[in-house]
Amino acid sequence: EPEVTQTPSHQVTQMGQEVILRCVPISNHLYFYWYRQILGQKVEFLVSFYNNEISEKSEIFDDQFSVERPDGSNFTLKIRSTKLEDSAMYFCASGLGGNNEKLFFGSGTQLSVL
Amino acid sequence: AQTVTQSQPEMSVQEAETVTLSCTYDTSESNYYLFWYKQPPSRQMILVIRQEAYKQQNATENRFSVNFQKAAKSFSLKISDSQLGDTAMYFCAFMLLSGNTPLVFGKGTRLSVIA
Repeated sequence: EPEVTQTPSHQVTQMGQEVILRCVPISNHLYFYWYRQILGQKVEFLVSFYNNEISEKSEIFDDQFSVERPDGSNFTLKIRSTKLEDSAMYFCASGLGGNNEKLFFGSGTQLSVL
Repeated sequence: AQTVTQSQPEMSVQEAETVTLSCTYDTSESNYYLFWYKQPPSRQMILVIRQEAYKQQNATENRFSVNFQKAAKSFSLKISDSQLGDTAMYFCAFMLLSGNTPLVFGKGTRLSVIA
């Protein structure tokens, strides 16, 4: 069964450093998302991406965050200057859209900011 | 804005027994999807079951079934013949039926299946 792949599974970084989290969505999917989950809390929406542009973003997704689909297969989340409170599990998800909506999640990247 | 409420932070069930997890939601829209996701200790998010709001019939996937009450805005998950592998966090989630609107998650219910 096709799956969403995320790398790395764990990322440790120093506060103020830039990190890039990588995702390979399912190949025929059209909609892409990033979510995050701070330990012990609920999953929160960050951003959605369709047709090579951001279609919606949450308040969390401020100027420190950016997304890119550089080569038609990868979907990346960049955090320019990480803060301690960015420590969380980051999930990528993709979906076909339309009336058969079903989101498939990757296994997540655990980001630890020290 | 849509909200999802899971009022049971933790539940436990004996192996082979049946358990029901509660979820309520709030929306002014009439067309949407509801989901239950399972998050085992590995923290991967696994889709358990999905319900389209325009369908009256409750969705079923093997041992998992839902009780969807649209008027009451209630969407509970029933797990029959509970297995040790069902131990996980379970998240109820809502999505509008329009393009790529984001999933809105509840806070989750931690289910422990006891041998």
